[in-house]
Amino acid sequence: AQSVTQPDIHITVSEGASLELRCNYSYGATPYLFWYVQSPGQGLQLLLKYFSGDTLVQGIKGFEAEFKRSQSSFNLRKPSVHWSDAAEYFCAVGAGGRRALTFGSGTRLQVQP
Amino acid sequence: DAEITQSPRHKITETGRQVTLACHQTWNHNNMFWYRQDLGHGLRLIHYSYGVQDTNKGEVSDGYSVSRSNTEDLPLTLESAASSQTSVYFCASSVQQNYEQYFGPGTRLTVT
Repeated sequence: AQSVTQPDIHITVSEGASLELRCNYSYGATPYLFWYVQSPGQGLQLLLKYFSGDTLVQGIKGFEAEFKRSQSSFNLRKPSVHWSDAAEYFCAVGAGGRRALTFGSGTRLQVQP
Repeated sequence: DAEITQSPRHKITETGRQVTLACHQTWNHNNMFWYRQDLGHGLRLIHYSYGVQDTNKGEVSDGYSVSRSNTEDLPLTLESAASSQTSVYFCASSVQQNYEQYFGPGTRLTVT
């Protein structure tokens, strides 16, 4: 079975600074990879996804993620963080015949003015 | 616009009571899922369905059941609510053969 690790439970960055959220997965082949964002009291919104092809994928809100097969990683990045980016971010993988997702435990992002 | 809705958004119930959480989607998606969200655990899969009359257990299915009588709805029932089931519950759906899921707004359930 696949698993997802988000090593950082909580990250604080200053507004305008760059951001990288880490995600590592465990699976024998290349899974489908996702990043979701959850604002307080809200549902999950898809930021971006990787299925195949170009390993650098662009998402909404200026986010991007890079798939690195050799490191089993799918890290999320943003060059300049805005206060509205404060939220919880979840990495998720889909693999095998079951079409459910396996989620990491999430990273809570705090943005300082 | 197509959407996925959950009701109620907030629910307080007592230990031992039966509770049903509703999930309704207008995407016409075959696949529907129930997850629970707890601090430090992310989202964990409770039950899922690939279509009408199809239901499957996820990793944390004990104490929960679902039924799928039509494409639009997948209600989640807690047969006898326990305090350990206090959580936020999310419903999601996806197109057949697709892993990309669309999530509802969630239901916060408190069992006292």
